[in-house]
Amino acid sequence: GQNIDQPTEMTATEGAIVQINCTYQTSGFNGLFWYQQHAGEAPTFLSYNVLDGLEEKGRFSSFLSRSKGYSYLLLKELQMKDSASYLCAVRSRGGATNKLIFGTGTLLAVQP
Amino acid sequence: DTGVSQDPRHKITKRGQNVTFRCDPISEHNRLYWYRQTLGQGPEFLTYFQNEAQLEKSRLLSDRFSAERPKGSFSTLEIQRTEQGDSAMYLCASGSRDSISYEQYFGPGTRLTVT
Repeated sequence: GQNIDQPTEMTATEGAIVQINCTYQTSGFNGLFWYQQHAGEAPTFLSYNVLDGLEEKGRFSSFLSRSKGYSYLLLKELQMKDSASYLCAVRSRGGATNKLIFGTGTLLAVQP
Repeated sequence: DTGVSQDPRHKITKRGQNVTFRCDPISEHNRLYWYRQTLGQGPEFLTYFQNEAQLEKSRLLSDRFSAERPKGSFSTLEIQRTEQGDSAMYLCASGSRDSISYEQYFGPGTRLTVT
């Protein structure tokens, strides 16, 4: 089966650091993606991990542990514009599609 | 702008009517995906095209749904005899086989409301 879990909501303060966790159980694994989605808009790509470890990109970092089926997205120096839903998605191995299986998303509210 | 575009952005229809949505992917992308997203949920995979070939369809895609990509460029998604349960955001995404990560770029979506 396919199961991706992430917290439904989180709240953080402007300027702070927040970590959004994602655990997954999928029939195969071929990479994990994080997307940001503002209300009413399309998801936009943030990061991609296929090997264990940390990938850093500016204020955003993403970590992966394949043995634990675990990833997190770290947002530093939070800004009000970071208020959005953050989607964890796994690309399953097998088949030609490379389709993504998404979690329900974590709605992050950044407060002044 | 060379991003993914979708048309229309919003569609309100009465139950039982047919609707058709269009997606124009990024021009050099040969991979095209359709997803459906309901409020508070992540996108769910519906179907995938590689060039003009439809290679996979989700079980979510009932017989009332059909998708085409006739020339390997734009794609259409048609829903026949719409039901209230079809109300959702329909997202199109495209990607390039040259991308190591197979990253997908999403369009702005078509929000369907069935009354």
